[in-house]
Order: sequence, then structure tokens, then C-alpha cells
Amino acid sequence: DAGVIQSPRHEVTEMGQEVTLRCKPISGHNSLFWYRQTMMRGLELLIYFNNNVPIDDSGMPEDRFSAKMPNASFSTLKIQPSEPRDSAVYFCASKGIAGPYNEQFFGPGTRLTVL
Amino acid sequence: SQKIEQNSEALNIQEGKTATLTCNYTNYSPAYLQWYRQDPGRGPVFLLLIRENEKEKRKERLKVTFDTTLKQSLFHITASQPADSATYLCAPFMDTGRRALTFGSGTRLQVQP
Repeated sequence: DAGVIQSPRHEVTEMGQEVTLRCKPISGHNSLFWYRQTMMRGLELLIYFNNNVPIDDSGMPEDRFSAKMPNASFSTLKIQPSEPRDSAVYFCASKGIAGPYNEQFFGPGTRLTVL
Repeated sequence: SQKIEQNSEALNIQEGKTATLTCNYTNYSPAYLQWYRQDPGRGPVFLLLIRENEKEKRKERLKVTFDTTLKQSLFHITASQPADSATYLCAPFMDTGRRALTFGSGTRLQVQP
């Protein structure tokens, strides 16, 4: 298995532009998480899905952020319009239905820079 | 408010020694707690889980303890190696409310050869 796949790995954009981050979870996993990591705030949970349904989006910072999961193998996180303070590394993680450890498997992250 | 505290200062130790990292939490009653390792430029990787009714969990050179009275978890790496150098994150899981992991800011460990 290739693990969690994220694209792009790096994104540089200008303030006001729309940014779309993509994630492909591990096949068979039914939970998907979007996190944002910065030096100041650490790793923050933005939103998570169970069986493609958004369960908790209380971590989404503003209406400029939106996330979708149209099917079990794909999710997007969109920022429109982007602002310099959105610069961070965005991680996607997935988790299986059951298991003794309930561990999350993280992707490599997308480093977003908003100029 | 709920808070997770990990030592923000890097921990520097000599190869072969035992590294001990601390995770303190307040206003939490986690059902379990996980520890993850994160290398620069990579996503976190799961290491260990310890449940609220467990005092200690081991895996090879790793040991985790969980003291629900002190609201603290300790993470130990015995016979540390330079390859153990990384940032280690603790993440308690609450069975109520958000029902999701909340990650600490992590402690960077540097093992000197």
C-alpha cells in the first residue's frame, strides 16, 4: 500500500488566490482527518470525516476553509481566498474501522506558502 | 480550558542513555493516549497507545506510562541511538465531546553519538 497520498507537496500562491489541497486515504480506511501544523500552534485538527460524512468541523478556522469527501478514496481542503496567515503544513491522515491501536496514518503533508 | 503540555525545549542526551519525555494534560479525562514520532519534513508516525486502565506499555526499547491521578504520561526510550532523534508528540483521546485526538506541541529529542 502506498500510504496516504497528498498533493501537491508544495504550493506557493499569492494572497487572494484559491488553493485546493488533495488527499487519497489508505484503501479500506473509513476515517479521514485534515490537520494544520505551524510552529506557533502545533498540529491542529481542522475537520474529520467518518464514512465520507463530516463529523466535526469545529477546527476549521473561518468560512474561507471548506472540505469535501465525495467518495471513500478522495478528499479536498479548499481555501478561498487565501491569506498569508494560512501558510502552514497541511496533513491528511486516515484510520481504519477497528484495530487495537486506533492509530492514524499521516500523509507527507502539503507545505503551503501564501505570499 | 483543556491543555496539553510537552517540554518545548529540546532534550539532548548521549547515545546509550535513557531519554524520558513528559506529557502533562489538564481538564482532560482521556480514554487513551497515543505517542507519535515526527521527523523533519514528514508526517507523524504512530508509536504506542496506552489506555486509561493501563499503567505501563512497552514495545522494544520504548516504554510509556500513564498516571491518571497526576494527569501525566511519560515516554521512555532506553539505549537511545542517534536514529531516535526526532520530535515526539503525545495525543490524548477524549471519549466525549469532540471524540478526536488532540496533539501536544511535541518535544524534540537529539541523541548525540
